[in-house]
Amino acid sequence: AQSVTQLGSHVSVSEGALVLLRCNYSSSVPPYLFWYVQYPNQGLQLLLKYTSAATLVKGINGFEAEFKKSETSFHLTKPSAHMSDAAEYFCAVSAMDTGRRALTFGSGTRLQVQP
Amino acid sequence: NAGVTQTPKFRILKIGQSMTLQCAQDMNHNYMYWYRQDPGMGLKLIYYSVGAGITDKGEVPNGYNVSRSTTEDFPLRLELAAPSQTSVYFCASSLNPDGYGYTFGSGTRLTVV
Repeated sequence: AQSVTQLGSHVSVSEGALVLLRCNYSSSVPPYLFWYVQYPNQGLQLLLKYTSAATLVKGINGFEAEFKKSETSFHLTKPSAHMSDAAEYFCAVSAMDTGRRALTFGSGTRLQVQP
Repeated sequence: NAGVTQTPKFRILKIGQSMTLQCAQDMNHNYMYWYRQDPGMGLKLIYYSVGAGITDKGEVPNGYNVSRSTTEDFPLRLELAAPSQTSVYFCASSLNPDGYGYTFGSGTRLTVV
């Protein structure tokens, strides 16, 4: 069955610094992978998705993620953090090996941006 | 352009009471989902539906029930509320979960006391 592991429940960076949020997945079949962002007291918004086209995926707000099959990873990056990036980020995987047409989410990483 | 609408936004229930969380989408999506979000635990799938009249259990279905009589609506029923059901509940819909991901509602914060 598919699963997602997000390393680091809290990440703190300075404004202007590189953002790196880690996600590793487990799946017996080629996965579809997603990053979502959740601002306080809101629902989740799609940042970007990997659907087996390009391995480097660009999303909204300057974020991007690279699919690395050999490392079973889909880490989220942004070259320069902005205060408005402070939020919780979730990695999710959809894979057909379970027969369930649903996303499995990681436990989330809360990003704090220091001025 | 409403997307996914959840009601109510907040609710306090007493132990043993019942309630229905409403979810409606206007995008003609076949797939609909209910998740619960607990601190540090991510989102756990409660129930999902692949179309009107078809529902199936997710990871944590105990204490909940769903129905899907129309494409638009996917209500979640809590019977005999327990403190363990205190959580934030999210409804989501999708045209195709593999290629498109989900559109989420804004959530319902439920407290059982």
